[in-house]
Amino acid sequence: GNSVTQMEGPVTLSEEAFLTINCTYTATGYPSLFWYVQYPGEGLQLLLKATKADDKGSNKGFEATYRKETTSFHLEKGSVQVSDSAVYFCALSDRYGGSQGNLIFGKGTKLSVKP
Amino acid sequence: NAGVTQTPKFQVLKTGQSMTLQCAQDMNHEYMSWYRQDPGMGLRLIHYSVGAGITDQGEVPNGYNVSRSTTEDFPLRLLSAAPSQTSVYFCASSRTPNTEAFFGQGTRLTVV
Repeated sequence: GNSVTQMEGPVTLSEEAFLTINCTYTATGYPSLFWYVQYPGEGLQLLLKATKADDKGSNKGFEATYRKETTSFHLEKGSVQVSDSAVYFCALSDRYGGSQGNLIFGKGTKLSVKP
Repeated sequence: NAGVTQTPKFQVLKTGQSMTLQCAQDMNHEYMSWYRQDPGMGLRLIHYSVGAGITDQGEVPNGYNVSRSTTEDFPLRLLSAAPSQTSVYFCASSRTPNTEAFFGQGTRLTVV
């Protein structure tokens, strides 16, 4: 079946540090890949997405590239800010593999950025 | 633009009680879903709907019922609450399953 594995947290960084959150996936078909972000006390919101191999999603300084050869979709940001403190979820949507296209989430990575 | 509205935000139930979590969206989305979020588990799909009158089970459906009589509303019913159902519940809607999902602010449920 389909699944998403992302690095466990929590991750603590200083402001302006480089961020990488690793995400790998298992899928039967050709999934769409997503990063969602959850700020404290709120629901999830889409951060970026990619729908086919070699696509790069980007938003608010965050980037992730869909790598089919390594089944990965790692999230990166060159210089984090305190306001980036949140929980980040990697997710996929695949019509095949039994999930009917529903979003399959990783367990989430909590990021704390210190001034 | 309200988006996805969930009520209530907080709820405490006694074991065996029943209740309904409300979810409404104003974006005319066909696809709606309910997730539960537990520490260290990410989000797990409870039930989903691809349109009015059509619902299906997700990964963890036991103990929950849903119905979809209109495009806008997708309530989640707990039939007989158990402590294992203590969680944060999120409703989401999207145009299709693989397009951007919009989430409500969540309902924090405690069953004692």
